[in-house]
Amino acid sequence: EDQVTQSPEALRLQEGESSSLNCSYTVSGLRGLFWYRQDPGKGPEFLFTLYSAGEEKEKERLKATLTKKESFLHITAPKPEDSATYLCAVIPQGAQKLVFGQGTRLTINP
Amino acid sequence: GAVVSQHPSRVICKSGTSVKIECRSLDFQATTMFWYRQFPKQSLMLMATSNEGSKATYEQGVEKDKFLINHASLTLSTLTVTSAHPEDSSFYICSARDMQGSNTEAFFGQGTRLTVV
Repeated sequence: EDQVTQSPEALRLQEGESSSLNCSYTVSGLRGLFWYRQDPGKGPEFLFTLYSAGEEKEKERLKATLTKKESFLHITAPKPEDSATYLCAVIPQGAQKLVFGQGTRLTINP
Repeated sequence: GAVVSQHPSRVICKSGTSVKIECRSLDFQATTMFWYRQFPKQSLMLMATSNEGSKATYEQGVEKDKFLINHASLTLSTLTVTSAHPEDSSFYICSARDMQGSNTEAFFGQGTRLTVV
């Protein structure tokens, strides 16, 4: 069964304190892995797509990396406005629908 | 990224009435749209997948007669919650995929907070 597990469930950091969020997946062939940011009361906002092991993508203070079993979302020198829930999802080969993890609630204290 | 517009953002309705939620892809054609429900502090729960011009595919446990989905065009899908009851109160989110080329990204609407009183 296709499965996505995110850790930690919640993470509290001080402003400027870099860290990483983990997304482990088991899937019968990976078509793509996605990271989204979701603010309270809003729909998820697309951040990155990763397709193959070794791939990396960056956007401002965020960098996403991918291996054959997991993905990391690295946050460098975060600011309070980076506080949100970060969702990881995969699309298995031949599938239409995303399989989501439970998300990591990130809080950045000023 | 592509834009998906969902309307309304909030709706309050009386128990027993029906509510329609619209989801539009504004700058791309979406042959496939997805409807999710999200409970507080939980991840998204897929309700159904709709393909333009055909019947929606519902996930196990989702009542197709209660949650009517129509995907009549490449840019519009609607979710109608029929005979709504307080237990249907939730946050509903739509998603659309741009099927051009090899794109796989799914983009989400802003969500609709439904409160049934």
